[in-house]
Amino acid sequence: SQQGEEDPQALSIQEGENATMNCSYKTSINNLQWYRQNSGRGLVHLILIRSNEREKHSGRLRVTLDTSKKSSSLLITASRAADTASYFCAVDSSYKLIFGSGTRLLVRP
Amino acid sequence: AAGVIQSPRHLIKEKRETATLKCYPIPRHDTVYWYQQGPGQDPQFLISFYEKMQSDKGSIPDRFSAQQFSDYHSELNMSSLELGDSALYFCASSTSGGPSYYNEQFFGPGTRLTVL
Repeated sequence: SQQGEEDPQALSIQEGENATMNCSYKTSINNLQWYRQNSGRGLVHLILIRSNEREKHSGRLRVTLDTSKKSSSLLITASRAADTASYFCAVDSSYKLIFGSGTRLLVRP
Repeated sequence: AAGVIQSPRHLIKEKRETATLKCYPIPRHDTVYWYQQGPGQDPQFLISFYEKMQSDKGSIPDRFSAQQFSDYHSELNMSSLELGDSALYFCASSTSGGPSYYNEQFFGPGTRLTVL
């Protein structure tokens, strides 16, 4: 990946459990965004967190950003089978998005 | 709400052929971005346009060119296609092409290009 790594690369959990994905980046950023992608399909924007924000919530999603450590985390609470997808973080650096390598999440019913 | 439209959705070409991918941004969005996602890879930024001018360039091969037209739609032209060009090509649009702090990009469904 151009930007950094996502951790873990793959995650398998039971429905109802929480899923946490981490993302590290290398450059300075304007904001960091999380996207979801079902197998081989389009990218769906989940949430954007600005560089001056530390935490943001949207429904069952919680995103944190630590600019001193150049890292972010995405927490999905009370996971559902329909959450099965790949999740990418993307940093907005100079107005283009640089994506991490993604976490493949499998939620078992 | 209107989304980003890409056409075609699927395209099959032979090696050394030419392909043209089209992108229609969300109305009133003035910035278009192109990304390439190879099999099992993360999306890679190719090129972007703001107000019909190229604003940034990433890892786009010289065989590829792109432009944004007066109606803000964009086309990605790919020549001398190679097997390695097989990928999903995404277009995204946003309203912030200039020095704007919050650059939320909305992605189209992608064009799946297969080069045989």
